[in-house]
Amino acid sequence: GAGVSQSPSNKVTEKGKDVELRCDPISGHTALYWYRQRLGQGLEFLIYFQGNSAPDKSGLPSDRFSAERTGESVSTLTIQRTQQEDSAVYLCASSRGPGGRPTETQYFGPGTRLLVL
Amino acid sequence: AQTVTQSQPEMSVQEAETVTLSCTYDTSESDYYLFWYKQPPSRQMILVIRQEAYKQQNATENRFSVNFQKAAKSFSLKISDSQLGDAAMYFCAYRDIIQGAQKLVFGQGTRLTINP
Repeated sequence: GAGVSQSPSNKVTEKGKDVELRCDPISGHTALYWYRQRLGQGLEFLIYFQGNSAPDKSGLPSDRFSAERTGESVSTLTIQRTQQEDSAVYLCASSRGPGGRPTETQYFGPGTRLLVL
Repeated sequence: AQTVTQSQPEMSVQEAETVTLSCTYDTSESDYYLFWYKQPPSRQMILVIRQEAYKQQNATENRFSVNFQKAAKSFSLKISDSQLGDAAMYFCAYRDIIQGAQKLVFGQGTRLTINP
């Protein structure tokens, strides 16, 4: 079936504006993750959703960042009052299985490249 | 907190030859998972190989194999018979086995160039 999809592919915004990034996980995947990748860097964990459990928000860098997920479907990552330091690629991943067993592979989307001017 | 270190920002290899990418990590846990991901210019992260820490046998996937040294906390990736399509960023990643600890911790990456 289809893989993880993300939109938009690229986003340019002005400092201070709000942005919304969307992730469509693989159908049937109960776990969903957001990561941030700054230029030339590895991925940094942001937030994790598992079914109807409370999300793990431990990686969110500030209260300007928030994310929502409706059931086991689409997730939206929102960045309020964007700053130039928020410029990065935002990657979403999903994995299947109740409880997100450690052996479950995380399948990644192509990411959204965000540029804050 | 767990950390992952990739000390080689860039590597290059001649097509058809073998190359080894290095990765070290730090953890106080005795059981965990280690991964190598490939990221081509399309940005999509692709799982290359996975190793479970409690397994002594090194994982292999076709031309890709790992050298897992648990005591040294080292997890290197060997690519045999390198192909032009192997050119990409390669990331080493760690994951706790603790239920609920779902995030991957990534290294900084190694950019691999394949010379024809």
